[in-house]
Amino acid sequence: DQQVKQNSPSLSVQEGRISILNCDYTNSMFDYFLWYKKYPAEGPTFLISISSIKDKNEDGRFTVFLNKSAKHLSLHIVPSQPGDSAVYFCAASARGAGSYQLTFGKGTKLSVIP
Amino acid sequence: EAQVTQNPRYLITVTGKKLTVTCSQNMNHEYMSWYRQDPGLGLRQIYYSMNVEVTDKGDVPEGYKVSRKEKRNFPLILESPSPNQTSLYFCASSLGQGGWYEQYFGPGTRLTVT
Repeated sequence: DQQVKQNSPSLSVQEGRISILNCDYTNSMFDYFLWYKKYPAEGPTFLISISSIKDKNEDGRFTVFLNKSAKHLSLHIVPSQPGDSAVYFCAASARGAGSYQLTFGKGTKLSVIP
Repeated sequence: EAQVTQNPRYLITVTGKKLTVTCSQNMNHEYMSWYRQDPGLGLRQIYYSMNVEVTDKGDVPEGYKVSRKEKRNFPLILESPSPNQTSLYFCASSLGQGGWYEQYFGPGTRLTVT
């Protein structure tokens, strides 16, 4: 049973436009969410996170929105740049339940077209 | 430079031949883990370690062993590799004992078992 779902395997966006990457989760115990970015031939790197006590967290061009009732989060990149082309993984943790594990989605490959 | 290193980066081996993938971090992190990434499946956790001599199974531990004799090292051992263990492997470490801490990933080890 996939607890973290990224239903779009790929996304193409024009440079300068907004990229929206979506993530859904099924485990109601998840209370902390992270986005990781992965370039080819490199390991994933942390991008941004959000706690369930918030509904928005912003860091420069990156904003993550959390809708707890819908069990849905999204990553907005504005404006998108060619260097943002990468695979983005959504991850979730049940911090309040004392879990030490991260559960990852399958990833969404973002291509930003110049 | 703070980093997680893995060796080897690429490995082709045959079924049944024992192998070890090394992982080392220089950040004095307590928590370390191993993931495998497969097409269409995302990142799945194999094993994790909360500290020296403390390890536990992740989501897909079958066919793997780990040890944590020193804080900085967390080798992944495949006693009898099989073709279904062909995958891209990532080691990760984090400051705290929990999936909510930012995890630092190594560059990956691409393993092919024939």
